[in-house]
Amino acid sequence: SAVISQKPSRDICQRGTSLTIQCQVDSQVTMMFWYRQQPGQSLTLIATANQGSEATYESGFVIDKFPISRPNLTFSTLTVSNMSPEDSSIYLCSVTSTGLHEQYFGPGTRLTVT
Amino acid sequence: SQQGEEDPQALSIQEGENATMNCSYKTSINNLQWYRQNSGRGLVHLILIRSNEREKHSGRLRVTLDTSKKSSSLLITASRAADTASYFCATDQNSGYSTLTFGKGTMLLVSP
Repeated sequence: SAVISQKPSRDICQRGTSLTIQCQVDSQVTMMFWYRQQPGQSLTLIATANQGSEATYESGFVIDKFPISRPNLTFSTLTVSNMSPEDSSIYLCSVTSTGLHEQYFGPGTRLTVT
Repeated sequence: SQQGEEDPQALSIQEGENATMNCSYKTSINNLQWYRQNSGRGLVHLILIRSNEREKHSGRLRVTLDTSKKSSSLLITASRAADTASYFCATDQNSGYSTLTFGKGTMLLVSP
């Protein structure tokens, strides 16, 4: 299984600012995903990060609010833009590869917006 | 909308007892997976059961799948305090790459 790291592990941010979260994998993977987990809730898929092209966003999530980059097969970033307290969540990246159905998750980034 | 719905939402048992968690879903699936999450950290994949399978075992874990009822159960036998975590089912509707839809989860507390 892949080893996934995320930076930062946690942050406290002011309303109206932006935060970029990094996800690094120790091996090349086919698919990378970004999820949001609001307090006490389940995981909701934000988008699929596509290498070399624009991310594929799920209903209710837009590129202006959550721009995503994936410059290569081992790295991706998620930016939470113009933050409000409602963006306070854990943000998780996950990965999988061709032929696999299970996903491997990073440790998450706990974001608090004040 | 959420595909999976787990019950119970919370479960409290003593060490050594068995824990059973249930998951229901709404549409046809390619496979169903169970994950564990400790204290708001990353999720750990536990077990995957395909739509043409009815039961699967992995160590102290037993998963069943009833596609006619669109439901699954996760049984943890001889529970330990270290099993304390949130457990989520996730459904995969595609035969291609996996886009998972997660249920609301069951919070399990195992007391020594």
